[in-house]
Amino acid sequence: DSGVTQTPKHLITATGQRVTLRCSPRSGDLSVYWYQQSLDQGLQFLIQYYNGEERAKGNILERFSAQQFPDLHSELNLSSLELGDSALYFCASSVDISGGTDTQYFGPGTRLTVL
Amino acid sequence: AQSVTQLGSHVSVSEGALVLLRCNYSSSVPPYLFWYVQYPNQGLQLLLKYTTGATLVKGINGFEAEFKKSETSFHLTKPSAHMSDAAEYFCAVSAYRIQGAQKLVFGQGTRLTINP
Repeated sequence: DSGVTQTPKHLITATGQRVTLRCSPRSGDLSVYWYQQSLDQGLQFLIQYYNGEERAKGNILERFSAQQFPDLHSELNLSSLELGDSALYFCASSVDISGGTDTQYFGPGTRLTVL
Repeated sequence: AQSVTQLGSHVSVSEGALVLLRCNYSSSVPPYLFWYVQYPNQGLQLLLKYTTGATLVKGINGFEAEFKKSETSFHLTKPSAHMSDAAEYFCAVSAYRIQGAQKLVFGQGTRLTINP
């Protein structure tokens, strides 16, 4: 158990819909990262938040957005869903104090299926 | 940009045999390198990481990896495979030194199968 929790575990929805994925980081971790894992793209970094502020952005679609709340939990919002958005979405957290060497601890993921 | 390439999407070894999973990196600056393992229906777990210093890095579950700058490699090894090692393994490089971001850039993964 990494200490990172993600809900829900599974999500099945239809094209055009909007969903919210939730992540609670390990106690004491200030940074939250979102990754997407799909068969064709592999593991791709989406976005990082540090203590409530966006820190880095990766290959995140404009239909996707995220935020980190004062209690440090984070939400990833996916809208106008397409079939190709079906994937496993991971949240990770780290202390983020060691300039790139911190270990990122991953949650169990949310499996999104778009029908 | 930094990247990693994992050679072999699928590796199969017998129980008790040597495990060797290959990873080559591309980076214009000294890289920070990581190996993660993903068991079925679970998240990723750190096996080991290389930042600076000793080039032979020991990790959990008997795994180790050696950073070889001349070969731009960071191969993962384990002397004797166990059935419980069956999983997907990911090599990753931190983008911090180039982009100032803690994001990890992952390879495509190698699925390790252990034959009894």
